[in-house]
Amino acid sequence: GAGVSQSPSNKVTEKGKDVELRCDPISGHTALYWYRQSLGQGLEFLIYFQGNSAPDKSGLPSDRFSAERTGGSVSTLTIQRTQQEDSAVYLCASSQIRGGGGETQYFGPGTRLLVL
Amino acid sequence: GDSVTQMEGPVTLSEEAFLTINCTYTATGYPSLFWYVQYPGEGLQLLLKATKADDKGSNKGFEATYRKETTSFHLEKGSVQVSDSAVYFCALFSGAGSYQLTFGKGTKLSVIP
Repeated sequence: GAGVSQSPSNKVTEKGKDVELRCDPISGHTALYWYRQSLGQGLEFLIYFQGNSAPDKSGLPSDRFSAERTGGSVSTLTIQRTQQEDSAVYLCASSQIRGGGGETQYFGPGTRLLVL
Repeated sequence: GDSVTQMEGPVTLSEEAFLTINCTYTATGYPSLFWYVQYPGEGLQLLLKATKADDKGSNKGFEATYRKETTSFHLEKGSVQVSDSAVYFCALFSGAGSYQLTFGKGTKLSVIP
C-alpha cells in the first residue's frame, strides 16, 4: 500500500516569505507527527496530531510555526516569515491508534527546505 | 527528560566486518526502543524495535537487545555489506505524557568493498 507522502520534495524560498508543507499519511493512521532534521540539531519533534486535534505542540520552535490537520488525514505545516535557521528537512510520520507505545511510526521522504 | 546517546561516527568498515553501534538512553518509565535507518537519498525506515526489557529485535541480519539494567540498545550485525552503508538512528518512545520519538544524533556507517 501507499506510504506517507510529502510535498513538495524540495522548496527554496527567500527569507521573510511564508511556506506550506504538506503531508499525506498512510490511510487509516490516526496519529500524525512532524519532525525536523537539521545538521546541527539532529531529529527534533515538532507536533503530534491525534485525529484533527494536536495534544502536543511542545516542539514548535516559535509562533511562526503552525500546523493543522483536516478530515483526520492530510496535514499542513506552515512557517511564516521564514528565517535562514528554518532551513532543514521536514519529516512527517504516521502511526495507528496509540496504545502501549510500541507503535511504529512510518516516515515520509521529507521536504527539504532552503531559506536564502 | 528523555534522551538517547549513540556513538558518534562516521564509522568505516570493510565488507564482512562485525558492526556494533552503541546506544544508551535515559527515559521515564519503560520505553519502547527503536533503530531507524536512512539510506542515501531516502527517508527514515524502521529497522527493528523492542518494547520491553530483554526483548531482542532483529531484521536483515541486524540485532539489538533491550537491556534495562544498563539502559542500552546496542545495534549489531555479524557481517556487514556495502548495501548497509547508511545513517543509523537509535530512538525511544516513553509514552509518559510524551507523544514523540526521541532520537539520537545518528551514526553514519560506510562499508567499503
